Amino acid sequence: ETGVTQSPTHLIKTRGQQVTLRCSSQSGHNTVSWYQQALGQGPQFIFQYYREEENGRGNFPPRFSGLQFPNYSSELNVNALELDDSALYLCASSSRQGAYEQYFGPGTRLTVT
Amino acid sequence: GNSVTQMEGPVTLSEEAFLTINCTYTATGYPSLFWYVQYPGEGLQLLLKATKADDKGSNKGFEATYRKETTSFHLEKGSVQVSDSAVYFCALSDQEDSSYKLIFGSGTRLLVRP
Repeated sequence: ETGVTQSPTHLIKTRGQQVTLRCSSQSGHNTVSWYQQALGQGPQFIFQYYREEENGRGNFPPRFSGLQFPNYSSELNVNALELDDSALYLCASSSRQGAYEQYFGPGTRLTVT
Repeated sequence: GNSVTQMEGPVTLSEEAFLTINCTYTATGYPSLFWYVQYPGEGLQLLLKATKADDKGSNKGFEATYRKETTSFHLEKGSVQVSDSAVYFCALSDQEDSSYKLIFGSGTRLLVRP
């Protein structure tokens, strides 16, 4: 069974740029959630995708957007990067039946300078 | 809104000591409760869960009991090892609109000394 994978591992961007992070869900999972984890804090829910549609959103501005593909993989896009966007971005996958039992990938560390 | 409060760390213990990490929650309804562990440089791993009151979740020697009367889900282990050094997050399930999201506490760092 393949776990959740994310790419890239690390990324450095400049303020104002755009970034795309990628996630492959665990085999058999059709729901993907994205979280932002600032240094020293717990993860914060960004949004969730199910059947290729956004299925709920946390308190994040519209410049955070995403996609889910037919194979259940997902992308997180952030436009107009700000310094405060520097964080670990975590992707989690789950089945719809066990939607709260979420399995996390290793994360992408984004640094905005 | 729903929230989770964890004891502040770091918690420093000697190997084979007893561990308790406190977690309390505020929620409407009957959420599921989780403990996740994050090792340095890694993502979160699901450690254990409980889905209803009085349920006890357990895994790898760790236990936590869902206490509705005290709104708590404290993590315990009878004898910690150096390899247990990590950050532990308590979380609850929250369904708002049509999403199934997790709300996390701020994490408690555990350091186990040989």
